[in-house]
Amino acid sequence: ILNVEQSPQSLHVQEGDSTNFTCSFPSSNFYALHWYRWETAKSPEALFVMTLNGDEKKKGRISATLNTKEGYSYLYIKGSQPEDSATYLCASRLEGGADGLTFGKGTHLIIQP
Amino acid sequence: GAVVSQHPSWVICKSGTSVKIECRSLDFQATTMFWYRQFPKQSLMLMATSNEGSKATYEQGVEKDKFLINHASLTLSTLTVTSAHPEDSSFYICSARDGIAEYNEQFFGPGTRLTVL
Repeated sequence: ILNVEQSPQSLHVQEGDSTNFTCSFPSSNFYALHWYRWETAKSPEALFVMTLNGDEKKKGRISATLNTKEGYSYLYIKGSQPEDSATYLCASRLEGGADGLTFGKGTHLIIQP
Repeated sequence: GAVVSQHPSWVICKSGTSVKIECRSLDFQATTMFWYRQFPKQSLMLMATSNEGSKATYEQGVEKDKFLINHASLTLSTLTVTSAHPEDSSFYICSARDGIAEYNEQFFGPGTRLTVL
């Protein structure tokens, strides 16, 4: 995998249901994987930075896992609420590479009441 | 904490004019700032990296003479799109890091929508 890929592109979830989506990234020269939550007209909000294979991080109802060997990360949202509606971006950073982040196109999540 | 502002939030200009976009870190000193742009249905793409007091480093394919970046202080970076053309219409967003946050976390501004007529 040369680019950062996110799936699905968009997702409609019923309020109260749990959901998850995927980020695939280059596994060679991996340094860190970032997750951001981006609401329209606002700044992307940093959710997690993950670096170690097997990492699991949690922030309230949102959690993420990381597999650096196979190059994927999952983001989970438990008990979705309308305020979870946003675009979720993941971005990778390579060891020894540029400091900037390589982003996926995002997963657009809509929570339906 | 870690708030980044960007101004203006949107701008419309005529072809051939120059546009300046400001990126400010409001509550921390940004040793490094990044400029990204996003075309419709595409991902955020890194344009350049700037360190305070140094010349910016541009990504391949980004014209440094067209996209002038100045990072003269630890709280302000500016991106000037010179002689803008319709193909420069895009969403421009900056990020900043303080060199202290865990794993060099980047904090983003809200972005600037540029439309060139």
